[in-house]
Amino acid sequence: QKEVEQDPGPLSVPEGAIVSLNCTYSNSAFQYFMWYRQYSRKGPELLMYTYSSGNKEDGRFTAQVDKSSKYISLFIRDSQPSDSATYLCAMSRVNTGNQFYFGTGTSLTVIP
Amino acid sequence: ETGVTQSPTHLIKTRGQQVTLRCSSQSGHNTVSWYQQALGQGPQFIFQYYREEENGRGNFPPRFSGLQFPNYSSELNVNALELDDSALYLCASSPSITGDVNGYTFGSGTRLTVV
Repeated sequence: QKEVEQDPGPLSVPEGAIVSLNCTYSNSAFQYFMWYRQYSRKGPELLMYTYSSGNKEDGRFTAQVDKSSKYISLFIRDSQPSDSATYLCAMSRVNTGNQFYFGTGTSLTVIP
Repeated sequence: ETGVTQSPTHLIKTRGQQVTLRCSSQSGHNTVSWYQQALGQGPQFIFQYYREEENGRGNFPPRFSGLQFPNYSSELNVNALELDDSALYLCASSPSITGDVNGYTFGSGTRLTVV
């Protein structure tokens, strides 16, 4: 069993839709929960992160962490064609430095 | 210079050969991590270097090795290449050894194809 599971999609939505991306994990020691966006032929770039549980909002993006269910989500409101990319969830433990555990990534296409 | 720079951008090697990939870390960053991203998969942690020493390793065989230099740049070496080593190799630098998620910066990667 992988430590982080993510539905690879692909996901295709019309412009303006609300997008929900999700990951589950098995290691209860994870404390940092990140969402990265990766465009083709580029490295991942950090969208937002949460430490421990709770919600975090940044513009059109909201990240949620439910540690009791070992489930994290990223919501994108009013999706735009420029949001088309692969979205990767990532997690890390506090005491393992910068070793991140990534999901498979979900490919998102927003259709104008 | 800002950002993480990786070279080369693309590389084709033959099975059994050896390859060296290079990474220049972002200014002020002293920690470098390497990841392997196979097609359609998420990045997998290979290892991390801090102050020229390996500090953490993922589930990769010893034929994957690395170096970090005094200027914090780094190399990833892979010996006895196998077809399954074909992937995007990502370097990430960060300003500290622990927990600086915001400062963790990825390069654009080196696309390695083994034939």
